[in-house]
Formats: sequence, structure tokens, C-alpha cells
Amino acid sequence: EAGVVQSPRYKIIEKKQPVAFWCNPISGHNTLYWYLQNLGQGPELLIRYENEEAVDDSQLPKDRFSAERLKGVDSTLKIQPAELGDSAVYLCASSLGPSAHEQFFGPGTRLTVL
Amino acid sequence: GDSVTQMEGPVTLSEEAFLTINCTYTATGYPSLFWYVQYPGEGLQLLLKATKADDKGSNKGFEATYRKETTSFHLEKGSVQVSDSAVYFCALRSGNTPLVFGKGTRLSVIA
Repeated sequence: EAGVVQSPRYKIIEKKQPVAFWCNPISGHNTLYWYLQNLGQGPELLIRYENEEAVDDSQLPKDRFSAERLKGVDSTLKIQPAELGDSAVYLCASSLGPSAHEQFFGPGTRLTVL
Repeated sequence: GDSVTQMEGPVTLSEEAFLTINCTYTATGYPSLFWYVQYPGEGLQLLLKATKADDKGSNKGFEATYRKETTSFHLEKGSVQVSDSAVYFCALRSGNTPLVFGKGTRLSVIA
């Protein structure tokens, strides 16, 4: 069975440009997470979805970041416009439910903003 | 709020050496504790977990014991291999709150 799929794996853009990341969770996993991982740091939650509903987006910078999971399966995270400080790895994870102990992580998208 | 502190790396060991990566936590209530591992070029994987005090999580020769009295969850392995080279993250979760991760410890094992 395929794991969590993310694309692209790497993205280089200039500041002020828009960028989007895509995630396809493990089949049957209702809970989807987007994390931000800065260099030398652990992941930090940006947003959590239960099916198509965003239930925890308190850490998402809503002035430039947006996310959607329209059909409760795959998800897109967007940044518009990107800033230099957005350079990081963006991780997607999924789990069977909100109380499941194990979250399964994708390989991440490494974003570089020039 | 909840937090995790783990020893800074990088840690460099020779093959078959004993490994300890320290992890301490601060949390209200009784969190579940986790160690995740990130191999080069891959996503984080759950290595082991413990959900209550005195529980011992174990997997692939790694062990960690949930110590409530010292608020610790140190990761140990008796004999490391080159293939154990990775970044290790200690994490906690209280109820349905988000996972809180430490900063990670990079381990390099040399033959």
C-alpha cells in the first residue's frame, strides 16, 4: 500500500511568487495534517483536517497561507505571496482518526524562496 | 504549554556502540510519548511509543521508558549499526492536541 504522497519534492521560487503543495494521504485516513519544519527544528502543526473540515488551523498564517481538502481526500497547501522566511520543509501526515497514536508522514516538500 | 527538550546533536558513534538520546518533557496531564525517526530523504516514521507511566516502548532494538517522576523518555540502543544513522525526534501528545516535537538529534554511525 502506498504511503503518504507529496509533490513536488523540491521547489525553488522567487519571493512574492505563489506556490502550492499537494498531498495524497493513505487511503482510508480521515485525518490529514500539514506541518512546517524549519532547519534544525522539529515539525510544527499548521493545520489539521477531519475529512474535509479544518478543525485546527490556529497556527496557519492566514494572511498568506491557505489550505483546502475539498473532497476529504487529497489536500493542497498554498502560499501567496511567498516570503524569504517561508523557506522550509512542508510535511503532510495522515492518520486513521484524531485520536490515533500513529501519524504517517510523507517525504515533505523542500521550499526555497530566493 | 507542552514542550519537549532533547539533547542536541550531532551524535557520532562507532558501530556497535551504546546509544542514549536524552528527552525530557513538560506537559499538563499525562501525555503519550513518542520517538520518530527520519532517515535521509524519507518522511518521519514512528519508531516507538508509550502511553502511560512506566510503559516501555521498543522496536528494532531501540527502547525508551516513560518515566513520570523524572518527566523523561530517553531513547537507548545497545549496539548501533550504520543503518541507524538518521535524525531522531522525541514527541508528546496530550489527548487530541497536536503532536509537540523536540528539535531532533542527528545520529551518525561510522563503520
